[in-house]
Amino acid sequence: DIQVTQSPSSLSASVGDRVTITCRASQSINSYLNWYQQKPGKAPNLLIYGASSLQAGVPSRFSGSGSGTDFALTISGLQPEDFATYYCQQSSSFPQTFGQGTKVE
Amino acid sequence: QVQLQESGPGLVKPSETLSLTCSVSGGSISSFYWNWIRQSPGKGLEWIGYIYYTGSTKYNPSLKSPITISLDTSQNQFSLNLTSVTAADTAVYYCAGRSHYSSSWAFSIWGQGTVVTVSS
Repeated sequence: DIQVTQSPSSLSASVGDRVTITCRASQSINSYLNWYQQKPGKAPNLLIYGASSLQAGVPSRFSGSGSGTDFALTISGLQPEDFATYYCQQSSSFPQTFGQGTKVE
Repeated sequence: QVQLQESGPGLVKPSETLSLTCSVSGGSISSFYWNWIRQSPGKGLEWIGYIYYTGSTKYNPSLKSPITISLDTSQNQFSLNLTSVTAADTAVYYCAGRSHYSSSWAFSIWGQGTVVTVSS
């Protein structure tokens, strides 16, 4: 299985901050990397697919970058509703695997 | 707007079968790959498997409990069976959809999740 490792596992930020979360795959996954946001008691919500494509309805302050093994999710101007846990997911090969999550608090 | 709703028992005894159903509303069952994903404190998010409207399936070989995912197009539902469960199968179980029009295997639709505890 392809392993995906997120860092950091948690971070402290303030409203208005620029926040970057990284995800590293154990082998090249081209651009088959997706990002999700999850709030307590809720299902994950797709933010970014294909490493950098914004899912419909997601605010433009969210952006994704990277290819190969190294990827990043950036939130430009953190809003109160963005405090949540973020996950990356590789979809290059089965079984698809998720990172362990990054809690933004 | 496609919506998903999981249903099933919240408590299952060890060695028995965990059975969950996901009801699909607001859209065509033939437009998505239908998945089961679970989340536990110990293993995080874990993809279990999918079924397509043609009946084709794919499962995660890393799961220890045997898996069956089935589809009932007449009821707009798909189901998950995990047999011979153990405490390690305790998790929140989500059903999720990936559009067959999408270029990426990303889960754009999720149910709200259902908690399943394996305990005697």
